[in-house]
Amino acid sequence: DAGVIQSPRHEVTEMGQEVTLRCKPISGHNSLFWYRQTMMRGLELLIYFNNNVPIDDSGMPEDRFSAKMPNASFSTLKIQPSEPRDSAVYFCASSSFWNSNQPQHFGDGTRLSIL
Amino acid sequence: SQQGEEDPQALSIQEGENATMNCSYKTSINNLQWYRQNSGRGLVHLILIRSNEREKHSGRLRVTLDTSKKSSSLLITASRAADTASYFCATDAKNTDKLIFGTGTRLQVFP
Repeated sequence: DAGVIQSPRHEVTEMGQEVTLRCKPISGHNSLFWYRQTMMRGLELLIYFNNNVPIDDSGMPEDRFSAKMPNASFSTLKIQPSEPRDSAVYFCASSSFWNSNQPQHFGDGTRLSIL
Repeated sequence: SQQGEEDPQALSIQEGENATMNCSYKTSINNLQWYRQNSGRGLVHLILIRSNEREKHSGRLRVTLDTSKKSSSLLITASRAADTASYFCATDAKNTDKLIFGTGTRLQVFP
């Protein structure tokens, strides 16, 4: 079975540019999560969706960050405008249900570098 | 704020030895999960233990949970070089469904 698919795997861009990260969750999973991982702050939950509806976006750092889930098989995380401090690895994960007793399945991440 | 803190931050052992990692957390939980992350990859779920369980096994993995001390341990027996990875605990809080990940333990297993 295909796991969570993220694209691109790597992105290098200049500050001020718009960045769009993409995620395809595991088919049949109802919940989707976006995380950011840095050495300084570890793994942080940015936002999560249940049945395509955003449930909690309290982890989104600034208004420059936005996330959408137009359908059950696709989500985007957008940063506009990007800044060097946004450099991190961004992970998408999905689970069969949003309850915390469900394991989350992670993609391999997008390594983002903002110059 | 981080819920889980792993200890040690880094651990180096020889193949065949056992590896023990600890996780401490701050608030009461419904369950606790352990994940592995290989370099350059996403996290992989290993095992989940519920708050009313004290011990759980999966292959060479053994997880314990002590809710009175707010701590958990992950034991990998007879380690292999392929076990080299970072290991994270993840907890929830009783009034939320979000997982909060700890800081991780970097395990290096030398052949």
